[in-house]
Amino acid sequence: EDQVTQSPEALRLQEGESSSLNCSYTVSGLRGLFWYRQDPGKGPEFLFTLYSAGEEKEKERLKATLTKKESFLHITAPKPEDSATYLCAGTTGGFKTIFGAGTRLFVKA
Amino acid sequence: GAGVSQSPSNKVTEKGKDVELRCDPISGHTALYWYRQRLGQGLEFLIYFQGNSAPDKSGLPSDRFSAERTGESVSTLTIQRTQQEDSAVYLCASSSGTVTEAFFGQGTRLTVV
Repeated sequence: EDQVTQSPEALRLQEGESSSLNCSYTVSGLRGLFWYRQDPGKGPEFLFTLYSAGEEKEKERLKATLTKKESFLHITAPKPEDSATYLCAGTTGGFKTIFGAGTRLFVKA
Repeated sequence: GAGVSQSPSNKVTEKGKDVELRCDPISGHTALYWYRQRLGQGLEFLIYFQGNSAPDKSGLPSDRFSAERTGESVSTLTIQRTQQEDSAVYLCASSSGTVTEAFFGQGTRLTVV
């Protein structure tokens, strides 16, 4: 069964304290691995797409990496405005995109 | 419009009633998804439309749920004989291709009382 699992469920950081979020996946014929950010009461907002193991992408304080079994979202020197839920999703060989449950990130000033 | 539009934004209905949720995707986007998100949970896949291909309905939780899409335009998600466990936010997303970023609407918050 295709599955995307994220850990931890919640992460509390001090401003400036770098950390990583994990996304492990078992997705048949993975075509793409996505990261989204979701703020309360809003729909998810796209961050990154990774297509093959070894690929990395960066945007401001965020860096996403992909291996054959998992993806990491590294957050460097986070700020309070980075507080949100971060969602990982995989697109299967049949082009269905399934999401993990998310990691709720809280960054305290 | 500039983004994905969903209506209504909020819907309160009585148990047993039917509801219809609407999604207007970004113009030109061939792919359209419906997801359900319960409070504090992740996104649960419901159904996927791609162009004129047969939709992937594998995520629909019961035969009370159905969805339609006319061509590459508006989609409606219908829930018949609503139950309290149907209470959730229903999110619609569209994308320009099969493995490209999806753009989400703000969602419809459904409350069944």
